[in-house]
Amino acid sequence: GENVEQHPSTLSVQEGDSAVIKCTYSDSASNYFPWYKQELGKRPQLIIDIRSNVGEKKDQRIAVTLNKTAKHFSLHITETQPEDSAVYFCAASSGGGSEKLVFGKGTKLTVNP
Amino acid sequence: EAEVAQSPRYKITEKSQAVAFWCDPISGHATLYWYRQILGQGPELLVQFQDESVVDDSQLPKDRFSAERLKGVDSTLKIQPAELGDSAMYLCASSLGTEPANQPQHFGDGTRLSIL
Repeated sequence: GENVEQHPSTLSVQEGDSAVIKCTYSDSASNYFPWYKQELGKRPQLIIDIRSNVGEKKDQRIAVTLNKTAKHFSLHITETQPEDSAVYFCAASSGGGSEKLVFGKGTKLTVNP
Repeated sequence: EAEVAQSPRYKITEKSQAVAFWCDPISGHATLYWYRQILGQGPELLVQFQDESVVDDSQLPKDRFSAERLKGVDSTLKIQPAELGDSAMYLCASSLGTEPANQPQHFGDGTRLSIL
């Protein structure tokens, strides 16, 4: 089955700097890659997603890139703000009727003012 | 904005007792998921419904866990008997479940279960 590895497990940046979180997946059939932000005690919230027919997607300060050949995808946050502090999860889904999301272990991002 | 509703938010019970969680998906969402999230890890799928039918329950410990979505709307997840290792956050999510595949999944606030 699918296996998703996520790095780093913790990331600390200064306000205004950029943050990058990387994920790799094992199943070449995976075709959908969402990113979720989870603040302490709250629900995971979808912040951006990308499908395998696209190499890059951007939404304001957030961007995701996908390299299908290398089977890795990354989340880029620019001009970080303290409210970006949270745990970020990447996930992969192979579709095929199940649409099961397999999540990485998460990255705890801390943005220092 | 419509949200996935879950109850209770917190549940504390003793091992060997029965416990149940309830989820009401976003209106019109055909696909419903139950995930378990252990502290410090990502969510793991327990069971997926398409309308009232189970699509994937390969990771559901069927000797003690059961799930149903009788009318294809709200859903109940039950554990009996509960074990210490079941302590976790139980998250429900829903998606439209229509083409194209892999519609975004929206999560509820979860039920935090503590087994004493």
